Amino acid sequence: GEDVEQSLFLSVREGDSSVINCTYTDSSSTYLYWYKQEPGAGLQLLTYIFSNMDMKQDQRLTVLLNKKDKHLSLRIADTQTGDSAIYFCAETSTGGGNKLTFGTGTQLKVEL
Amino acid sequence: EAGVVQSPRYKIIEKKQPVAFWCNPISGHNTLYWYLQNLGQGPELLIRYENEEAVDDSQLPKDRFSAERLKGVDSTLKIQPAELGDSAVYLCASSPNAGAAYNEQFFGPGTRLTVL
Repeated sequence: GEDVEQSLFLSVREGDSSVINCTYTDSSSTYLYWYKQEPGAGLQLLTYIFSNMDMKQDQRLTVLLNKKDKHLSLRIADTQTGDSAIYFCAETSTGGGNKLTFGTGTQLKVEL
Repeated sequence: EAGVVQSPRYKIIEKKQPVAFWCNPISGHNTLYWYLQNLGQGPELLIRYENEEAVDDSQLPKDRFSAERLKGVDSTLKIQPAELGDSAVYLCASSPNAGAAYNEQFFGPGTRLTVL
């Protein structure tokens, strides 16, 4: 079945850039997503990318997709303390009925 | 516009007791999802509804879990009897149109279940 993997933890200093990485196995992925989860809250969609794109930029967020290597990354520029949260990579695939398959999440800690 | 509403937010029960979670999706959203999120893990789909029909319940442990969405709007997820391993966060999500190529899912805050 589908598998999505992420590193568990990332620590950065305020003002630096953060890069969160994700690998997936499903070659029929159509959309890939980044969700943010703050403590005690549900998941908030940050951004998504269609599988035929290799980059998408949205304000401080840049998503890079390497479809050949099945590698997705999220870059957060000028990271702020409010960016501290768990970030989940997720994918949907053709025939999956829009079922989201999530990674294990990366906890981002922003230090002053 | 109100988001996805879930209740209760927290529930503590003893093992072997029944428990129920309620979800009200965003108005007009035909598709409703229940996810299970274990500590330190990403959410995993339990069941997906299109209106009142459960179209994907392959991951729902049917011996103890049940769900319903009788009028195609709000939904209830039930566990009977609960086991220690059921302690987790139960998330509900909704989306407007499952047939669309891109279909954003909106998540509720979840119900955190603790089974003692």
